[in-house]
Amino acid sequence: SQQGEEDPQALSIQEGENATMNCSYKTSINNLQWYRQNSGRGLVHLILIRSNEREKHSGRLRVTLDTSKKSSSLLITASRAADTASYFCASTAGNKLTFGGGTRVLVKP
Amino acid sequence: DTAVSQTPKYLVTQMGNDKSIKCEQNLGHDTMYWYKQDSKKFLKIMFSYNNKELIINETVPNRFSPKSPDKAHLNLHINSLELGDSAVYFCASSQGPGTPYEQYFGPGTRLTVT
Repeated sequence: SQQGEEDPQALSIQEGENATMNCSYKTSINNLQWYRQNSGRGLVHLILIRSNEREKHSGRLRVTLDTSKKSSSLLITASRAADTASYFCASTAGNKLTFGGGTRVLVKP
Repeated sequence: DTAVSQTPKYLVTQMGNDKSIKCEQNLGHDTMYWYKQDSKKFLKIMFSYNNKELIINETVPNRFSPKSPDKAHLNLHINSLELGDSAVYFCASSQGPGTPYEQYFGPGTRLTVT
């Protein structure tokens, strides 16, 4: 299976609700990054959390990291239609980012 | 201003042909990457260059050959294209080769091999 697997694979919510997605990885990491990909576009970096951090916030985003469980979560609060996208975690070790399969989020107005 | 650009955006070609994809970044970054995203959206690193030197070379068929003429450019040449090469190819760049750096992605090149 893939390093950096994400759960759920797809998520459908109403505008204003919170969206939570999880990511698991297999090996020790330097940090973990989250990216967003709008349909037909390249990935855009959202947030980076270092291996010695447990939680990080950026605007409406909240990321947690549990290195003992090799897992991370991304919470988007008060979602908007514009948050509709695929979200990818990327575990980082050495010079490489290893991406998961992504969570497709649909925010319905 | 476009940070990371790729050409072409779409590429449709027949099996057996040779094709190239070009990438340019105007961010002044030292490191550039090629990724392949398959139909299930899995994104896998293929190559990475730092200051024109190859630093990551994943298990990729040797029909794929990257070339970095300078720090701002990284091209991908594919020989003898196969059906399984159909995918979206993304170029990316970062300030340096280490993992503390975020990566900036181009818009992608959708390659379809018929």
